[in-house]
Amino acid sequence: KQEVTQIPAALSVPEGENLVLNCSFTDSAIYNLQWFRQDPGKGLTSLLLIQSSQREQTSGRLNASLDKSSGRSTLYIAASQPGDSATYLCAANTNAGKSTFGDGTTLTVKP
Amino acid sequence: GAVVSQHPSRVICKSGTSVKIECRSLDFQATTMFWYRQFPKQSLMLMATSNEGSKATYEQGVEKDKFLINHASLTLSTLTVTSAHPEDSSFYICSARPLRGKNEQFFGPGTRLTVL
Repeated sequence: KQEVTQIPAALSVPEGENLVLNCSFTDSAIYNLQWFRQDPGKGLTSLLLIQSSQREQTSGRLNASLDKSSGRSTLYIAASQPGDSATYLCAANTNAGKSTFGDGTTLTVKP
Repeated sequence: GAVVSQHPSRVICKSGTSVKIECRSLDFQATTMFWYRQFPKQSLMLMATSNEGSKATYEQGVEKDKFLINHASLTLSTLTVTSAHPEDSSFYICSARPLRGKNEQFFGPGTRLTVL
């Protein structure tokens, strides 16, 4: 059974810092891995999707990497802003579309 | 493209009533949709896999008679919480995977259920 762990559970940084969020998964037989953002009381916003054959994906200030063999993914946020404050979830997905989510990292960026 | 909607976005009901939540893929067809539940300050947990034209597959610990799933068309799946109780209060999110095209799933905005 797939298990997804995210470290740290919470992170507080001053504005402008670069930061890394970590995600690990126990079953490397994933189809793809996805990072989401969730604001309090809201749904999911997909940030980046990395296929199992890819090593990284970039979108603006976000860069996600995937090391399938070691069961790890990282989300790098450059030049953090207060608007980046949210909970970040990673999900390991099977080829059937089933997602296993981590518990998330709650990020606070202080002005 | 690839938009998934949910209705209603928020519902408050009395204990013992049943509540239906709809999940629609607006611009694509999906043979498979997934239903997740998220309790406060917890992550999303898969409840069931909804297959068009066949019975849903439920995860361990999820009561199929309490959470009725119907996937009557390639764009619509419904989740009915029967005889709802306060412990069923949660955030319910669906996802849908396109029949053709992109190999990823798209998530709905969620439905906040509060049972009084």
